[in-house]
Parts: sequence; structure tokens; C-alpha cells
Amino acid sequence: AQSVTQPDIHITVSEGASLELRCNYSYGATPYLFWYVQSPGQGLQLLLKYFSGDTLVQGIKGFEAEFKRSQSSFNLRKPSVHWSDAAEYFCAVGAGSAGTALIFGKGTTLSVSS
Amino acid sequence: NAGVTQTPKFRVLKTGQSMTLLCAQDMNHEYMYWYRQDPGMGLRLIHYSVGEGTTAKGEVPDGYNVSRLKKQNFLLGLESAAPSQTSVYFCASSYRGAGGLQETQYFGPGTRLLVL
Repeated sequence: AQSVTQPDIHITVSEGASLELRCNYSYGATPYLFWYVQSPGQGLQLLLKYFSGDTLVQGIKGFEAEFKRSQSSFNLRKPSVHWSDAAEYFCAVGAGSAGTALIFGKGTTLSVSS
Repeated sequence: NAGVTQTPKFRVLKTGQSMTLLCAQDMNHEYMYWYRQDPGMGLRLIHYSVGEGTTAKGEVPDGYNVSRLKKQNFLLGLESAAPSQTSVYFCASSYRGAGGLQETQYFGPGTRLLVL
């Protein structure tokens, strides 16, 4: 069965420092991969997605993610974190079948210190 | 273009009461979903719909019913609310299509439900 693991429950990064959030997935075929961000009290906003092609994908707000098939990973990165990036981040995998749900990781909470 | 909207934003229920959560989307999406989000659990699928008049169970369907009478609306019902249904409920929608279109889901702002 498909699954997504986000090993870090909570990460604190200094403002201006770089960020990497880890995501590992379990899926038999080439997956559709997503990163969503959820600010406190808000819904989920799509940051970026990977379907095929270039394994380094760019998203909104200066985020990028790299798909590494050999490591079953899809880590999210940002070179310089801003205080407004403090939020919860979810990695998800799409199963590729009509109407099926995204499988979400349990999320990583990012705190930004000044 | 409002995207996905949810009504109400917040509700408090007593055990045994019933209520309906409304999700509406104006993107002409075929697929719609209801998730619940609990601390430390991520999002779990309750029910989903692949088109008007069709619904199916997800991972945690017990205690919930859904209806999709119109393409743009997806209703989630709780017939007899229980404290275990205290959660944040998210609706999402997506296009029908290949190449990842149907996997790209757009989320509403959520409904916070407290069952006492």
C-alpha cells in the first residue's frame, strides 16, 4: 500500500537560513508527488507538484523539491526562510487512479526564529 | 472565481445532534473529496465522488454520509454526532484527466467541528 513518511514532526530554522523538509514515499510505480502548506487556521495550499520529467521542480514562494527515485524521496527545500514561512507542511502522493485520495504524510511543523 | 468554499466555518454540536457540511466549487471539477484532519494524523479521506450522483467510501467513512446531487456541491452529513467526530473537515476537488490532473486537488478553508 502507498504511504508517505515525513520523519520530522517539528523543525525550527533561523530566519534567512536554508530549509530542507524530508519526505519518503512508498509506491510501486512512478508516483505523482505534492507538497502542500497549511498556515494556522487555513486550508491547504499547493506549493508544487511532480508528475514526470525534470526531477527538480519549482514551486511558489521560492520553494523547490527534488524527486529521487533511488531514495524514494521528494524533499522540499528553500534557500532562505522568511518568518512568514512558519506553517505546517504536508507531503502527499497520488495513486493515479480515478477519484482516489491523496495519501498524506503526517506533516512537519516549521517554526522560524528571529 | 472563489475556488472551493465550505460552510460553516465553525460549529459546536452536542452528542447525538445532526448536521450537514456544505462544500461548493466553481471550477467545474468532476471529482470531490471530504477529508478530516486530526492532530498528528495528517488528512484522512472520508468519502469521495467521481461525478454527479456518485459517491464512494474512503478510509474513515463510518458515521458519515454524503451526497452529490449537483456537480458543484458535495455535502457531508453527520446523522448522530459523537465526540470522536471532533475534527477539522476539509473539502477538496480536482479535474478529471490524465497526466496528474485528477491528482491535483484544491482545498477549501476547512470547517472546525466540536462535538460535546
